[in-house]
Amino acid sequence: EVQLVESGGGLVQPGGSLRLSCADSGFTFSSYWMSWARQAPGKGLEWVANINQDGSTKYYVDSVKGRFTISRDNARNSLFLQMNSLRAEDTAVYYCVRAIGSGSSYWGQGTLVTVSS
Amino acid sequence: QSVLTQPPSASGTPGQRVTISCSGSTSNIVNNPVNWFQHLPGTAPKVLIYNYSQRPSGVPDRFSGSKSGTSASLAISGLLSEDEADYYCAAWDDSLNAYVFGTGTKVTVL
Repeated sequence: EVQLVESGGGLVQPGGSLRLSCADSGFTFSSYWMSWARQAPGKGLEWVANINQDGSTKYYVDSVKGRFTISRDNARNSLFLQMNSLRAEDTAVYYCVRAIGSGSSYWGQGTLVTVSS
Repeated sequence: QSVLTQPPSASGTPGQRVTISCSGSTSNIVNNPVNWFQHLPGTAPKVLIYNYSQRPSGVPDRFSGSKSGTSASLAISGLLSEDEADYYCAAWDDSLNAYVFGTGTKVTVL
């Protein structure tokens, strides 16, 4: 059974940092593009970042470029999102997503990040 | 502000057919395959349609997708109360080098 389990969310002050993790099981992690997406309170879904199978190619939404870094560890079947210089508008539920643009897309349950003083 | 525009809401009675549109442009819907996602609040989003009209295994054939020009559509036939959810189209955008979601449509079963 495919499982994507996010962790690392919580309350952080503006300007602070958080590192999200996603532990994946039930599939060959190293074979898939992986993504982070988010949903702010009362808003729609927003894609945040993509990373290819070996981590050599990454894409980011403009609003997080220079602040967030997506990475992966294929040996540990894990995906990460390092979030620096956090802003109030980064408050959202963050989802780990397998193959977001395909028929084998699969989403985790999400982890809540709250940026507030 | 999303580059993929959907109506904010749609509704129907049980058994009816509901159609949701997704308006985009050449750089997204024309050039790249469209996915449709179903999202019930508090749960993980789920892919309903990929590559404009393909259904992953396990998705009922009541859900269908299509594309015409710079727009895509999701149709739900034989509407059930369990279909009450938010629906999003999505596609890669070549101009933005980003994956973009539509604005989302809330489907209500009356």
